Amino acid sequence: DAMVIQNPRYQVTQFGKPVTLSCSQTLNHNVMYWYQQKSSQAPKLLFHYYDKDFNNEADTPDNFQSRRPNTSFCFLDIRSPGLGDAAMYLCATSRGQGFEQYFGPGTRLTVT
Amino acid sequence: GQQVMQIPQYQHVQEGEDFTTYCNSSTTLSNIQWYKQRPGGHPVFLIQLVKSGEVKKQKRLTFQFGEAKKNSSLHITATQTTDVGTYFCAAPRPGTGYSTLTFGKGTMLLVSP
Repeated sequence: DAMVIQNPRYQVTQFGKPVTLSCSQTLNHNVMYWYQQKSSQAPKLLFHYYDKDFNNEADTPDNFQSRRPNTSFCFLDIRSPGLGDAAMYLCATSRGQGFEQYFGPGTRLTVT
Repeated sequence: GQQVMQIPQYQHVQEGEDFTTYCNSSTTLSNIQWYKQRPGGHPVFLIQLVKSGEVKKQKRLTFQFGEAKKNSSLHITATQTTDVGTYFCAAPRPGTGYSTLTFGKGTMLLVSP
């Protein structure tokens, strides 16, 4: 049973062309996260939502935005993708403070 | 801010050999979590350690949390090719009310048959 679903699994976009990645969860978890992961690196947190409260990491570029219209769904918008934004984007959920995180399969973004 | 150091960065073993990865922090941790990421996959939660000196086992995997709650280790006995992947330790960040994690850089394990 899929618990954290990400669509699409692979996305190719052109330099500067906006792209949206989506994540949904069936766990009813309060917290949803977006991570960027590049090859041979640890996941890098971009932002997270605790319920409706949005929390941005200090070093997340303005180019990255997020929306959480309801408990189940969360979106990552990249307004003007650059070549350096090519990466795996991971969505994760958690029940909250101190609990483990459940990751989706990721969306691999290619920027041409 | 909280930092979690993980060593080694990479280890290549022969099938049947043991493997250990270590995680260290300069600050006391509320808990430590371990994740495994297979090549091409996503991180999968393995275990959480909360108590000082805690030891937990999952088949061939043994997880330890230090007495001072500043370090942790994951030991795999008699590795198998299915153990291949990157192992990350992660600790809740106090600055975010413990709702986010600080990840170590991971240890990539390669197992040759």
